[in-house]
Amino acid sequence: QKEVEQDPGPLSVPEGAIVSLNCTYSNSAFQYFMWYRQYSRKGPELLMYTYSSGNKEDGRFTAQVDKSSKYISLFIRDSQPSDSATYLCAMSGGTGGFKTIFGAGTRLFVKA
Amino acid sequence: SAVISQKPSRDICQRGTSLTIQCQVDSQVTMMFWYRQQPGQSLTLIATANQGSEATYESGFVIDKFPISRPNLTFSTLTVSNMSPEDSSIYLCSVESTLGISTDTQYFGPGTRLTVL
Repeated sequence: QKEVEQDPGPLSVPEGAIVSLNCTYSNSAFQYFMWYRQYSRKGPELLMYTYSSGNKEDGRFTAQVDKSSKYISLFIRDSQPSDSATYLCAMSGGTGGFKTIFGAGTRLFVKA
Repeated sequence: SAVISQKPSRDICQRGTSLTIQCQVDSQVTMMFWYRQQPGQSLTLIATANQGSEATYESGFVIDKFPISRPNLTFSTLTVSNMSPEDSSIYLCSVESTLGISTDTQYFGPGTRLTVL
């Protein structure tokens, strides 16, 4: 079993839709949860960062962490074609110390 | 957040040769990381580069194949040695948060796209 599972997609939605991206994980010791966005031929950029459980909102983006279910989500409201990218979840802070574990990434296409 | 640059941005190399990738950060950082990202796959950590000490390699990666230098707090290099087509990948440099508080967040360079013929 992989430490982090993420559906690779692709996920295709119309402009304006609400997008839900998810990851599950197995290591209950993870404390830090991140979402990265990676455009084609670019490096990943940090999008959202959450410590422990709860929700965090930043503009059209909301990150949720449910540690009891070992499940994290990223919601994108009013999706735009410019949101088309690969979204990678990541987590760390477990017994591995600072080592960050990444999901495989979900490719998202937002159609105009 | 840190601004990270990498050189070269891409290269096409012959098998058996070596390529050195440079990573420059606009601020001093403690931890620098080198990742490999193969098509459709997640980021795989190659090694962690600390200034003033030997790099720490992950399972499956060895110093002879991927020698790393870290001469100061803003710069690192990764060499891909004796390349084969299986080394074709994107190589990414990243740094931990520079805020002085370890938050386990990382910032990435733009990557080096390597093709080995």
